[in-house]
Amino acid sequence: GAVVSQHPSRVICKSGTSVKIECRSLDFQATTMFWYRQFPKQSLMLMATSNEGSKATYEQGVEKDKFLINHASLTLSTLTVTSAHPEDSSFYICSARNTGGKTEAFFGQGTRLTVV
Amino acid sequence: AQSVTQPDIHITVSEGASLELRCNYSYGATPYLFWYVQSPGQGLQLLLKYFSGDTLVQGIKGFEAEFKRSQSSFNLRKPSVHWSDAAEYFCAVVGSGNTGKLIFGQGTTLQVKP
Repeated sequence: GAVVSQHPSRVICKSGTSVKIECRSLDFQATTMFWYRQFPKQSLMLMATSNEGSKATYEQGVEKDKFLINHASLTLSTLTVTSAHPEDSSFYICSARNTGGKTEAFFGQGTRLTVV
Repeated sequence: AQSVTQPDIHITVSEGASLELRCNYSYGATPYLFWYVQSPGQGLQLLLKYFSGDTLVQGIKGFEAEFKRSQSSFNLRKPSVHWSDAAEYFCAVVGSGNTGKLIFGQGTTLQVKP
């Protein structure tokens, strides 16, 4: 199956700093990528839909100025957590949908963000 | 609105026993349904999917699932569980509009007893 690479897998940052997470589709083109957040022992919550060449679509309650999403190419989307706070600590997962295929989504390995 | 319900938060089975994880969905049209597995600290791996056709779908690692429209269910089954199957299992449906946006159930934690 298709491969989605997410980097970094773990990151620790200080409060007030910004952190960038990358999501790459390695062997296919993805016009649409998705960013999820997962709290411990909980399900995945969709944060936003990232569209190549256009603005991301954010889910209700997600602060677009805090979670900046850029999808500059067909193989790369980035999520930047700006001015991070301890409550932003979470597991962030991206997924990518193959442009030419059906609606199957492939997931990255996830990024564990800890804000201290 | 579309939704997915996994009624069982936690299930424990003995190694070698059969397994069934329940999933119910709410969706007006023909759904695209998925089962994913997640190991601790990892991303999600697709076990199987249903788009159309045969309602019994086979997946990886010996898993299968059956789509039952009359019951709005897509239960995951495995005849004989292995210790390595212990993980979190998520059922998901694609939301309307063919955006590819997945709506996930709450997840079921599977514990396997030796």
